[in-house]
Formats: sequence, structure tokens, C-alpha cells
Amino acid sequence: TQLLEQSPQFLSIQEGENLTVYCNSSSVFSSLQWYRQEPGEGPVLLVTVVTGGEVKKLKRLTFQFGDARKDSSLHITAAQPGDTGLYLCAGGVQGAQKLVFGQGTRLTINP
Amino acid sequence: EPEVTQTPSHQVTQMGQEVILRCVPISNHLYFYWYRQILGQKVEFLVSFYNNEISEKSEIFDDQFSVERPDGSNFTLKIRSTKLEDSAMYFCASRTGQFYGYTFGSGTRLTVV
Repeated sequence: TQLLEQSPQFLSIQEGENLTVYCNSSSVFSSLQWYRQEPGEGPVLLVTVVTGGEVKKLKRLTFQFGDARKDSSLHITAAQPGDTGLYLCAGGVQGAQKLVFGQGTRLTINP
Repeated sequence: EPEVTQTPSHQVTQMGQEVILRCVPISNHLYFYWYRQILGQKVEFLVSFYNNEISEKSEIFDDQFSVERPDGSNFTLKIRSTKLEDSAMYFCASRTGQFYGYTFGSGTRLTVV
């Protein structure tokens, strides 16, 4: 069974600070996706990374896929209250159709 | 922006009753999925559907569950005889190819009483 562990599970910081969320596994994934989920809504895709070592930037968000395709990180620069939410990582299982989700990181940015 | 549409948004049903959850995926997408999320838990894979057939299913997706794409636009999940533990948020998702991200619907909150 492939598992993705996210850390931290909860993070509360002040506006303007930087933060990093980690997504780790002992398994290799074909792709790694990051989603943001609001209460009572479905996950919304932020980014997909497929190549080991790949780095993608989305404004103040930087996503990295580990060289061995077993882990990923999400770095937010100068966090804003609008970044508050639940961030989920999800790995594409090799040779399969499904995604395996982490348990999520609940991020709170205080003004 | 194209959306995945799910109906109903909430469904309350008695234990043992059949329910059908409906989804309209994005029109040019080829892969279709159902996931569920029990309150406070991880999002879990149920089933994937490609080329008009199930391509993969999880252990959760037992004989009580079935999926259909009856008319080329709708994608349904049927639970034949609901149990209390089926209470969850059910998400439909679709994508255009294997290495693309998913577009999820807003979900159907199913409550079995």
C-alpha cells in the first residue's frame, strides 16, 4: 500500500512569513499533484509535477518533486491571509489510474 | 473555466436504500473517477472509468457499488444498499490524460441514517 505523509498537519503563521509543506513517501510515484480544498468543496488542482527534480512556480508558490519521485514540497513566499486553506498532495500510482492522497496540511495565515 | 458538475449536493437516505449520485464530467475528458472522503479522513479512491469500462477499482468498491456512463455525458455512481459507513462526501473527477491533473466536482454529501 502506497502512503503519502504530509507535514506539518497544521501550520499557523503571520502574514508575510515564508513556509514549506512536505509530502513524503517510501514509494515512487509517476506524478505528484498539489490541491487546495475549501470546506465543503472538492479539491482544486494547483500543479502537477511529473519529472524527478522538477520545480514549478505559481506566483508565490514553488513546488518541487524529489529527484527519486518519492517526495515533494510546497513553499509559499510572503504568505497572505488568502493562502489560508487545506493543502493536499496526491501521488499518481505507477501502472495504475488512481491517486493516493496525503492527509492534508491545514494552513492559517494570520493578518 | 470548464467544470465537473455533481448532483445532488446533499442526499440523506435510509440504511438499505439505493442511491444514485450523478456527475457531468468535462466534455473532452477521457478518464473519469469517483473518490470519497469520510469526515476528517483522507480522500480515498473508489473507481476509475475509461473507454466505457472500469479500468481500476479499490477494495471499497465492492458488489454494492456500480458506475455507468449511460449517454456519453453523465457519469453515475450507484450504491445498491446503503450502510451507515457509506456516509461521506463523494467526489467525481475527470481528466484529459494520464499525466494530467484532475478536475474535481464540488461533491455530494451522502448521509445514511
